Amino acid sequence: ELKVEQNPLFLSMQEGKNYTIYCNYSTTSDRLYWYRQDPGKSLESLFVLLSNGAVKQEGRLMASLDTKARLSTLHITAAVHDLSATYFCAEESPYGGSQGNLIFGKGTKLSVKP
Amino acid sequence: DAGVTQSPTHLIKTRGQHVTLRCSPISGHKSVSWYQQVLGQGPQFIFQYYEKEERGRGNFPDRFSARQFPNYSSELNVNALLLGDSALYLCASSLGWSAYEQYFGPGTRLTVT
Repeated sequence: ELKVEQNPLFLSMQEGKNYTIYCNYSTTSDRLYWYRQDPGKSLESLFVLLSNGAVKQEGRLMASLDTKARLSTLHITAAVHDLSATYFCAEESPYGGSQGNLIFGKGTKLSVKP
Repeated sequence: DAGVTQSPTHLIKTRGQHVTLRCSPISGHKSVSWYQQVLGQGPQFIFQYYEKEERGRGNFPDRFSARQFPNYSSELNVNALLLGDSALYLCASSLGWSAYEQYFGPGTRLTVT
C-alpha cells in the first residue's frame, strides 16, 4: 500500500525558533513534493525534490530528500507568523493506477505564535 | 497566463443528487488530474486524464466518473451523492502525465446535506 506519513501532525512554535517536519514514504520513488495550504485555499507548491540528496531552500524553509531512508524533511529556520499554514508532503506514485500522480500525507498544521 | 480554473467555486447539494465539476487546464497542458480533499486530510487522487484518455484511477467507487474534452478541459461527475462526498475537489494540470510541474486550481468546495 502506498503510504506517506508526516510528523508531527500539529506543531505550535514560537517565533524565532527552529523546527523540522518529517515525511516518510513507502515506495522507491525518487520524486518528493512539498506544498503549503492556507485555510480554505488550494495548494501552493514549495519544493520539488527529484533525486537522492537533493536539498532546496527558499527563505526560511529548507527541504531535503534521502531516497535510501525514504525520508524527506522540511526545516523551518527562525519561524515567523506568516509561516502559519498546513504543510503537505507528497510522493509521486511510481506504479499502479496512480502512477505519476501524488500520494499525500495527512499534513502538518503549523502555528507560529509571538 | 491564466492558471488552472475550476467552476463552480462552491456548491451545496442534497444526498442522492448528481454533481458536475469543471476544470480548465493551463493553456498547452494536456493532462488533468482530480483530487478529493476531505476536511483535515491530505488530498486523495481520483482520476487522471491525459490526451483525452483515462490514464489513472484512484480507489474511488464507480459513482465517480470523469472525462476530458478535445480542448483538454475536464469534468468530474459524482452520482448518488453521500454526506461523505463533502470535500474540496482539486484539479491539477500538467504538460505531461507526470506530477512534475503539476499546477493546482483553486478548488471547488462541495457540501452535501
